[in-house]
Amino acid sequence: NAGVMQNPRHLVRRRGQEARLRCSPMKGHSHVYWYRQLPEEGLKFMVYLQKENIIDESGMPKERFSAEFPKEGPSILRIQQVVRGDSAAYFCASSPTGPASDTQYFGPGTRLTVL
Amino acid sequence: DQQVKQNSPSLSVQEGRISILNCDYTNSMFDYFLWYKKYPAEGPTFLISISSIKDKNEDGRFTVFLNKSAKHLSLHIVPSQPGDSAVYFCAASDRGSTLGRLYFGRGTQLTVWP
Repeated sequence: NAGVMQNPRHLVRRRGQEARLRCSPMKGHSHVYWYRQLPEEGLKFMVYLQKENIIDESGMPKERFSAEFPKEGPSILRIQQVVRGDSAAYFCASSPTGPASDTQYFGPGTRLTVL
Repeated sequence: DQQVKQNSPSLSVQEGRISILNCDYTNSMFDYFLWYKKYPAEGPTFLISISSIKDKNEDGRFTVFLNKSAKHLSLHIVPSQPGDSAVYFCAASDRGSTLGRLYFGRGTQLTVWP
């Protein structure tokens, strides 16, 4: 049973470009969470999605950031007009049935570097 | 504000001995706690969890203790092995109201030496 998949593992962008990060949850999991880890910090929640629905985006910056989890295909975290402060590791996690009873399992992360 | 705190950035333990990693939290609504282990350039790996209705949960070499009155939990690893060397993150959730959002501490780097 494959774990949570994320791609790309490393992404380099210049200031002003767009970054697209993809996450495929574990088989049978329909709940996806995105977290960001800045250097020397813990992971910080960004957004929680179910298929075709954003459940909680209160941790996501209001501008330039968006997330989706379509009916088919992976969840996408999109960062428009990237700035140097967006450089971080972005982790996706999934759970089978939702937050009330389930542990979140993490992918390997995407390391975004903004030049 | 940091609702989950790991005040020791690093811990060094000899192989075979017990490793004790500590975590404090401030939000009394947290009802589910987890420990994750993380190697460099990898994602966090789930280790063990505990619900607030319990004060202890054990899984092999790993035991988590929860002291709700002190808002404190700890992870015991015994015996410690060199392969346990990693960053350990404590995480907490208020499953009732924050929809599964996990709050993480900053992590403790555990080094187990032979």
